[in-house]
Amino acid sequence: DAKTTQPPSMDCAEGRAANLPCNHSTISGNEYVYWYRQIHSQGPQYIIHGLKNNETNEMASLIITEDRKSSTLILPHATLRDTAVYYCIVRSSRGSQGNLIFGKGTKLSVKP
Amino acid sequence: NAGVTQTPKFRILKIGQSMTLQCAQDMNHNYMYWYRQDPGMGLKLIYYSVGAGITDKGEVPNGYNVSRSTTEDFPLRLELAAPSQTSVYFCASRIGDRGYNEQFFGPGTRLTVL
Repeated sequence: DAKTTQPPSMDCAEGRAANLPCNHSTISGNEYVYWYRQIHSQGPQYIIHGLKNNETNEMASLIITEDRKSSTLILPHATLRDTAVYYCIVRSSRGSQGNLIFGKGTKLSVKP
Repeated sequence: NAGVTQTPKFRILKIGQSMTLQCAQDMNHNYMYWYRQDPGMGLKLIYYSVGAGITDKGEVPNGYNVSRSTTEDFPLRLELAAPSQTSVYFCASRIGDRGYNEQFFGPGTRLTVL
């Protein structure tokens, strides 16, 4: 599975968009990009995933570059409750394990 | 649906004691996982199961055992607890080997071994 690189921390003002980058330059053709977040002391929560096209749901948008070597998670109007560690994970669509490989993620602090 | 539930929420063990961490899901998911998370780190896979009666080791299985007698339940057994097993344990499930991999996590069990 491809390795991902994320900044260790970011700050964002409440109400502004939070843009979280992720590099995955070794991604292969059948690997999806997943984003999860972990609010302090809670279990990780699924946010969004994508393969090639940009994706949007009620929580966030995912922008994947055309060469698929990097992506950006966008929280359009960050709130204090979005303060969490955000994990970018690249994983094959198939495989007997299907477990997620978590790195250290990006700690996003949303400030009033 | 309750989703993924874990008990207990907290536990303190003495070195050498044993315990079972309980995990249950009511979503009829085939795949279930046990992860551990040490302070400031990401999650590491301990064991997983692709269905009732089938289990396999993950990245850090030493000191743990699992069973999967039903689709709903996936208990994790710690034998002879050691301080290195102090961690937060998360159970997760997903529906199966589909094209995407949305996993649902439980609230975690915080274990301290003294």
